[in-house]
Amino acid sequence: EVQLVESGGGLVQPGGSLRLSCAASGFSFKNSWMNWIRQAPGKGLEWVASMNPDGSEKYDVDSVRGRFTISRDNAENSLYLQMNSLRAEDTAIYYCARDHAYSSYDVWGQGTMVTVS
Amino acid sequence: QSALTQPPSASGSPGQSVTISCTGTSSDVGAYNYVSWYQQHPGKAPKLIIYEVYKRPSGVPDRFSGSKSGNTASLTVSGLKADDEADYYCSSHAASGVFGGGTKLTVL
Repeated sequence: EVQLVESGGGLVQPGGSLRLSCAASGFSFKNSWMNWIRQAPGKGLEWVASMNPDGSEKYDVDSVRGRFTISRDNAENSLYLQMNSLRAEDTAIYYCARDHAYSSYDVWGQGTMVTVS
Repeated sequence: QSALTQPPSASGSPGQSVTISCTGTSSDVGAYNYVSWYQQHPGKAPKLIIYEVYKRPSGVPDRFSGSKSGNTASLTVSGLKADDEADYYCSSHAASGVFGGGTKLTVL
């Protein structure tokens, strides 16, 4: 079964840090572009960051640049998001998602909630 | 990286058709045939229902169809069913992914 499972969310104070993890199974993780996408409570989806299969390219949204870092371990089939200098506006459900092709996301995890307060 | 524009709400009766628009710019929707649509039920993760403007992933009924004209993409849901009541989001490939604000579809 193709699956993504996020973990690492929780309650953190402003200025604090968290590291999110996403465990992939059932597909070739090492050949997949991967993404973090978030959704603030009652709000829409926001793409946060993406990384290419071998980890040599990464992109992120302006609002997290310099604070969040996406990374991956293909040997462990895992994607990560290191979040530093967290702000109240970073409060959201964070989803890990596989890129099907050109920013279409065909596999999603169940999400992990991050609350900055 | 501005969000794409969607109407906040749409509605239709069972069996009817409804179309949701997604307006971007010549730098995103208008520039690429890489528009996708997602369905999200409350408390659930989004589900890909359309990619590359009109293509459907395996298992998605053909009641869902997509199109594009210029800088505006559209999702049409035909033969509305109660379970189609959900939030719908569009997305376009640009320098990176960008989403619309979402449309809440109500089945009357």
